[in-house]
Parts: sequence; C-alpha cells; structure tokens
Amino acid sequence: KAGVTQTPRYLIKTRGQQVTLSCSPISGHRSVSWYQQTPGQGLQFLFEYFSETQRNKGNFPGRFSGRQFSNSRSEMNVSTLELGDSALYLCASSFGTGSLNTEAFFGQGTRLTVV
Amino acid sequence: KNEVEQSPQNLTAQEGEFITINCSYSVGISALHWLQQHPGGGIVSLFMLSSGKKKHGRLIATINIQEKHSSLHITASHPRDSAVYICAVSTSYDKVIFGPGTSLSVIP
Repeated sequence: KAGVTQTPRYLIKTRGQQVTLSCSPISGHRSVSWYQQTPGQGLQFLFEYFSETQRNKGNFPGRFSGRQFSNSRSEMNVSTLELGDSALYLCASSFGTGSLNTEAFFGQGTRLTVV
Repeated sequence: KNEVEQSPQNLTAQEGEFITINCSYSVGISALHWLQQHPGGGIVSLFMLSSGKKKHGRLIATINIQEKHSSLHITASHPRDSAVYICAVSTSYDKVIFGPGTSLSVIP
C-alpha cells in the first residue's frame, strides 16, 4: 500500500511569487490535513479537507488556501510569498474526518525556501 | 502558558536506558498522538490515545485524562530511537495543537 506522497520535496521561490504544493493520500483515505513546521513556531495546523470540503482551518492568513479533488488528492497554495513562509509543509491523510481524531499517516513533507 | 507542554526539551541517554517523555495539556481533548520525527522531516505517528495505555514493541504510551497528562516510554533504548518526539492533541473543538517536541539522542 503506497504511503502519503508529497510533491515536490524541495522548492525555492522568490518573495512575492506563489506556490502550489501537492499531497496524494493513502488510497481510500478521504481526509487530508496540512501543517506548517518552522524552527520558531514548531508545528501548526493549516487546514483539513474531507470529501472535497474544507472542514477546519487554523490561524493563517488568507494567502494560504487549499483544495481537495474528487480522488482525495489535495493541493495547498500560498500566494504573495514572504520570507517567513519558509518552512517544512507536511500533509497527513486519514480515513475518517476530524483533524487527528483518527489514525493519521504523514508524508515526507515539502521544504519551501523563500528568498 | 502553552496549551501543550512537553518535558524534557532535550534528552541524552545511553543505549539500553529506559526513557520517559512527558506531555501535559490544558484543553479538553478527543485524542492525543505521539509522533516521531527523524532528521529530514518525515513524521511517523507512533500512538493515538484517548484513554489508558498502548504498547508497540519497545514503546509504551499512557494517558491520564483526569490529570491531562500523557507519557511515552521507550524501553531498552537504541541509537535508532534518536529523533524528535512530538505530542499532539486533537481538541474537543476539533483543533490540533502540537507540543514543542523533545529531542532525544541515544548514545551507543
């Protein structure tokens, strides 16, 4: 059974640009959650999607958005990148809904560097 | 005061030692997770707890809902256990809060 796949693994962008990150969940999983990890703030919850609907959102500005497709794959978009957006972005998939209310499986993450 | 706290922040142990990492939280929760993160970033979910105790190999996790406290124990520690261990809670109002992590180094 394939695990959670995040692409790309590494990304370098310039301030002001936008970026799209992708997460393919484990087959059969309908929930995808996104997290940001920085040295200063640690891990923080971004949002959760279940069956193409955003169920929950963390305290991030509107520049951070996401969506989920009918095959449960999810994308996360960050517009007008700032230096502080440099982070490891992780996604997790689970069968049931509710952010980390059920067993979750994490991807390897996308490391975004904004210069 | 952070809603999820962990202790210790850093831990160095000799191979074979018994290790305990603690997590305390101040919010109502529906579940608590122990996560392991190796250098390179990937996270593995070790346990999900809502009550009692779970064991997997050399790892044991316990939770006391009344005291809002959980512990992760590693028996017969090994250098491959070296990682950051993160406690995460799913709150009663469906938010996820992570602890700051405990960096463990097991020396041969």
